[in-house]
Amino acid sequence: AQSVAQPEDQVNVAEGNPLTVKCTYSVSGNPYLFWYVQYPNRGLQFLLKYITGDNLVKGSYGFEAEFNKSQTSFHLKKPSALVSDSALYFCAVRTQKLVFGTGTRLLVSP
Amino acid sequence: GAGVSQSPRYKVAKRGQDVALRCDPISGHVSLFWYQQALGQGPEFLTYFQNEAQLDKSGLPSDRFFAERPEGSVSTLKIQRTQQEDSAVYLCASSLDSQVKGSPLHFGNGTRLTVT
Repeated sequence: AQSVAQPEDQVNVAEGNPLTVKCTYSVSGNPYLFWYVQYPNRGLQFLLKYITGDNLVKGSYGFEAEFNKSQTSFHLKKPSALVSDSALYFCAVRTQKLVFGTGTRLLVSP
Repeated sequence: GAGVSQSPRYKVAKRGQDVALRCDPISGHVSLFWYQQALGQGPEFLTYFQNEAQLDKSGLPSDRFFAERPEGSVSTLKIQRTQQEDSAVYLCASSLDSQVKGSPLHFGNGTRLTVT
């Protein structure tokens, strides 16, 4: 069965600094990987996905993610964090249904 | 265009009451998913429809939970005899085509159910 792990409950970063939110996955076959963001009292918003091709994928709001097959990782990154990036971030893997990690809270301080 | 719409946004039910949660997916989306999100947790899969067919209901926690999508568009998640452990946010999502695994799910804002 597929699964994802997000080892950090919370990531703190200062505004303007680069950020990384970690994700590792386990799936048989080719992985279809996603990142979603959730703001308070809102549903999940799609950020980006990896299906095939270039290991560095770019998404919404300046986010990008790096797929590493040997390490089975799909870390979310942004070169320069904004306070408005503070939210809950979920990594997910899809076969038929979408399976989510437990989430990582990102706090960006001014 | 319009996104996934869920109603009501908030529902308070007394233990033992039945509730019905509605989801209006994005027009033309074939697949519809229901997830349950407990406070501080990631969304957990409940069930999935392709058009009107319920193809996977392995995540429904008990036979008190029932979902339908009779015309392949609007879906209703019904919970009978609600219990306190049913308190959670119920998220609905739709996707253009379930066979295209790279197709992202588009989520509604959820229904927050509180059972007292």
